[in-house]
Amino acid sequence: SQQGEEDPQALSIQEGENATMNCSYKTSINNLQWYRQNSGRGLVHLILIRSNEREKHSGRLRVTLDTSKKSSSLLITASRAADTASYFCAAYNAGNMLTFGGGTRLMVKP
Amino acid sequence: EAGVAQSPRYKIIEKRQSVAFWCNPISGHATLYWYQQILGQGPKLLIQFQNNGVVDDSQLPKDRFSAERLKGVDSTLKIQPAKLEDSAVYLCASSPDRVLDEQFFGPGTRLTVL
Repeated sequence: SQQGEEDPQALSIQEGENATMNCSYKTSINNLQWYRQNSGRGLVHLILIRSNEREKHSGRLRVTLDTSKKSSSLLITASRAADTASYFCAAYNAGNMLTFGGGTRLMVKP
Repeated sequence: EAGVAQSPRYKIIEKRQSVAFWCNPISGHATLYWYQQILGQGPKLLIQFQNNGVVDDSQLPKDRFSAERLKGVDSTLKIQPAKLEDSAVYLCASSPDRVLDEQFFGPGTRLTVL
């Protein structure tokens, strides 16, 4: 079963705009991770946020975590055409298996 | 640092045939994972190894899928016999330790079953 569910399923923006993707999960977590997948580089880990953290930054990425709402968001600022990809949130379930959501497909138009 | 290697990159077979995929994880990574990713969906864990022992294979269809990790390094995933619904990308990943680490993924093997 999926631990995370992303919203929206698809997002199309212009280069330079910000992109926000949301993730909801079902059970308590130790950490939540975001991955990016495109045809060129495969599935790549972007950022990990622990359950005792509320916000984390990495370059143009900003991740928030609200454990009371069981939700997380990924913000990409000043998007570029190269950010076009699918973005997945993933979290470990009680059995310590990393489970992925269905992903948000982001299209950044030049 | 070399990444996770997988081969072949693409495979086309007829249903009821068998197929095998190979994975070489990042050197020193104790944990190895096999995922199945169906088009339009997120990856689904099939099996997880810690060194050469199985940690979790609860989502592996054991009537047709098998996997091994001899000597705690390389791993092979086999499907015998294949069904149409096995068409997917099979991803191998590794991590230094099983305790909630980020995972490093290989390029995947795209399997088409006709």
